[in-house]
Amino acid sequence: GAGVSQSPSNKVTEKGKDVELRCDPISGHTALYWYRQRLGQGLEFLIYFQGNSAPDKSGLPSDRFSAERTGESVSTLTIQRTQQEDSAVYLCASSPTSDGQYFGPGTRLTVL
Amino acid sequence: QQQVKQSPQSLIVQKGGISIINCAYENTAFDYFPWYQQFPGKGPALLIAIRPDVSEKKEGRFTISFNKSAKQFSLHIMDSQPGDSATYFCAASKNGNTGKLIFGQGTTLQVKP
Repeated sequence: GAGVSQSPSNKVTEKGKDVELRCDPISGHTALYWYRQRLGQGLEFLIYFQGNSAPDKSGLPSDRFSAERTGESVSTLTIQRTQQEDSAVYLCASSPTSDGQYFGPGTRLTVL
Repeated sequence: QQQVKQSPQSLIVQKGGISIINCAYENTAFDYFPWYQQFPGKGPALLIAIRPDVSEKKEGRFTISFNKSAKQFSLHIMDSQPGDSATYFCAASKNGNTGKLIFGQGTTLQVKP
């Protein structure tokens, strides 16, 4: 079956611009997560959606970052007024209630 | 605060050898410990996971050993193959397999033919 998909695969933007990253989770997965991976580093948790519960936003690094999820489907991560330190690979994962997290291929964001 | 420490940062093993990667955690509330494998340009893929009620879990050539009292767990790759060359991440979460994951810094494994 189809895995987690993310778009775009690559995004180059100028400092100060806003960007939107999209995640399509595996159908039927109730949980959705966003992580950030800086070059050569481990993954940092950003935000977590579980069904209709309030999202866990504890990992968002600043108020420039926000995310939304429509029901149990698509999610978008928005970064406003991008900075060079936002350059990273942004990874989305989804999970059913009884198994681990399955990651998409990521969106590589480069802020010039 | 780094809650999951992973070592070594890089590892070179001969084909057929055993690769061992170690992780240590601080938070005793963690109750789920997965390992992920990541190839360049790809997202991490779940390899194997363990819960603290068992001390060892084996799936094929991959084994997790878990030491609850020491707050440590390790990944053993038996009969390592060149195709195992990748970056490996340990992780931990507080709410089972659906909780947010705290990742280690990663280990780059190279298996030489």
